[in-house]
Amino acid sequence: DAKTTQPPSMDCAEGRAANLPCNHSTISGNEYVYWYRQIHSQGPQYIIHGLKNNETNEMASLIITEDRKSSTLILPHATLRDTAVYYCIVRVVSDSWGKLQFGAGTQVVVTP
Amino acid sequence: GAVVSQHPSWVICKSGTSVKIECRSLDFQATTMFWYRQFPKQSLMLMATSNEGSKATYEQGVEKDKFLINHASLTLSTLTVTSAHPEDSSFYICSARRGPYNEQFFGPGTRLTVL
Repeated sequence: DAKTTQPPSMDCAEGRAANLPCNHSTISGNEYVYWYRQIHSQGPQYIIHGLKNNETNEMASLIITEDRKSSTLILPHATLRDTAVYYCIVRVVSDSWGKLQFGAGTQVVVTP
Repeated sequence: GAVVSQHPSWVICKSGTSVKIECRSLDFQATTMFWYRQFPKQSLMLMATSNEGSKATYEQGVEKDKFLINHASLTLSTLTVTSAHPEDSSFYICSARRGPYNEQFFGPGTRLTVL
């Protein structure tokens, strides 16, 4: 699976949009981009995933560049409860194992 | 939907004893479950892949005789830490795979403290 690079930390003001970048310059054509987050002392929570088109759900939007070498997770209106470590992971969906390899992630702190 | 539970949520045990952690998919069947370990201020580390009805597959460096995994049904996988030592103290998290996109849904984790 392709490696990802994320900034170690980000601060965000409550109510503002949080834009979390992720670089995956070695991504293959059949690898999807997944985002998970982990609130302190809890299990990770699935947020969103995509292949090449932009995706949106009730939690966030995922913007993938045309060359697919990077992506941005957007939390449209950050709340204090969005404080967590956010993980960007790329992997092949058809992989029969479906293993996820977590990197260091981005620690997002939302402040009042 | 897609709820995964773990039991217990925390456990304290004496060095040398064995501890069993259960992972259940409550509203879906999971032929594949995964076990992770997380030390303080570190990321999740995949320990093993658990497949219903067959032997687990362990990641490199994980002792299969120390971390026994049993996936006896489509909704239950167990991790037994045998002869636990203080260095095994960690946050153990399971996940269950579901759906065409192989989404993984995670349990809330089990904090193990070995005295």
